[in-house]
Amino acid sequence: EAQVTQNPRYLITVTGKKLTVTCSQNMNHEYMSWYRQDPGLGLRQIYYSMNVEVTDKGDVPEGYKVSRKEKRNFPLILESPSPNQTSLYFCASSYRTGIYGYTFGSGTRLTVV
Amino acid sequence: DQQVKQNSPSLSVQEGRISILNCDYTNSMFDYFLWYKKYPAEGPTFLISISSIKDKNEDGRFTVFLNKSAKHLSLHIVPSQPGDSAVYFCAASARDNYGQNFVFGPGTRLSVLP
Repeated sequence: EAQVTQNPRYLITVTGKKLTVTCSQNMNHEYMSWYRQDPGLGLRQIYYSMNVEVTDKGDVPEGYKVSRKEKRNFPLILESPSPNQTSLYFCASSYRTGIYGYTFGSGTRLTVV
Repeated sequence: DQQVKQNSPSLSVQEGRISILNCDYTNSMFDYFLWYKKYPAEGPTFLISISSIKDKNEDGRFTVFLNKSAKHLSLHIVPSQPGDSAVYFCAASARDNYGQNFVFGPGTRLSVLP
């Protein structure tokens, strides 16, 4: 089944403790992206990647890092999480640009206390 | 400053009638416009899209209309079904950055009443 898989689905952590949210897609897509969803704000793009080793900042990149060492994986790294990073996170992938849309994962709900 | 706005947080429609969801944008550089549907505890699902060179795109019960001069697009669902009850997000991107830098609206919750 074609899908984007995120792990974990739920995570509670403490301020300052480094964490990684993994994302993997099995569709051989070139484009991948991370979003966070907050009430009243919709989804905001954190980082995106056009191919292996090619990444760029989205609208809210502060406090996040990404890497794209393999085509299928695009992990999101929070080096020193803070409470304002408590949010619902989505990873997504696409094989073409623009109007073709993304396939989204099921989401990771992160709580930083 | 939100570049993509969905001014109706919620909408209720009777089953079988038309649902019209609206979206306004401010950035005239946007070239691609997409609609996503989201059920609780799931990721958004791509629904339909339109590029700036068109003013209408249709896919089954779903039609998207684009009015570039008004910077406005709308999604029509005809006829509406209870399974259409979800949150709908409008998204837009410009042609640069490979069209990957999408901006989403805050969403409209659609309830289709049986």
